[in-house]
Amino acid sequence: AQSVTQLGSHVSVSEGALVLLRCNYSSSVPPYLFWYVQYPNQGLQLLLKYTSAATLVKGINGFEAEFKKSETSFHLTKPSAHMSDAAEYFCAVSPMGQNFVFGPGTRLSVLP
Amino acid sequence: KAGVTQTPRYLIKTRGQQVTLSCSPISGHRSVSWYQQTPGQGLQFLFEYFSETQRNKGNFPGRFSGRQFSNSRSEMNVSTLELGDSALYLCASSLNGAGEGETQYFGPGTRLLVL
Repeated sequence: AQSVTQLGSHVSVSEGALVLLRCNYSSSVPPYLFWYVQYPNQGLQLLLKYTSAATLVKGINGFEAEFKKSETSFHLTKPSAHMSDAAEYFCAVSPMGQNFVFGPGTRLSVLP
Repeated sequence: KAGVTQTPRYLIKTRGQQVTLSCSPISGHRSVSWYQQTPGQGLQFLFEYFSETQRNKGNFPGRFSGRQFSNSRSEMNVSTLELGDSALYLCASSLNGAGEGETQYFGPGTRLLVL
């Protein structure tokens, strides 16, 4: 069965610092990959999506993610954190014919 | 286009009762999926409906059920509520289904508290 791991349940960065949130998936066949963000008391909002068109995917709010098949990774980055980026971030995989499998999530705190 | 809407937003029930949650997908979307989100278990897939048929099902007891109407609106029902059913229930819609690699668009969720 597919699984998704997100290293670090809680990540803290200073405002203006690099954001790096890690995601690894278990599959010999690259699935579709997604990053979602959840703000308090809200649903999930799509940040970006990998569909094999390009290994570097740009999303909203300045986020991007790089697909690395050899490492089965899809890490999320943002060059400069903003206070408004504080939220919970979920990596998800979508195997063909199956529904989403979500990672456990990483809570991002941005310190002033 | 209007987004995914879920009603009610908040609900308080007592053990043993049953509850029905509603989800209206984005116009034109035929797939609706339901997820349970809890601090301990994270986001867990409940089931997916497509064109009024259940297409995928997660690992939940039979107390959890759902249906989809001809206008793609979906309801989920939980019978004989247990304390552990307290969670945020999220609904997501997509054109043809998450298994096709499509983006799922999420509603704001229904927060259920079972006392």
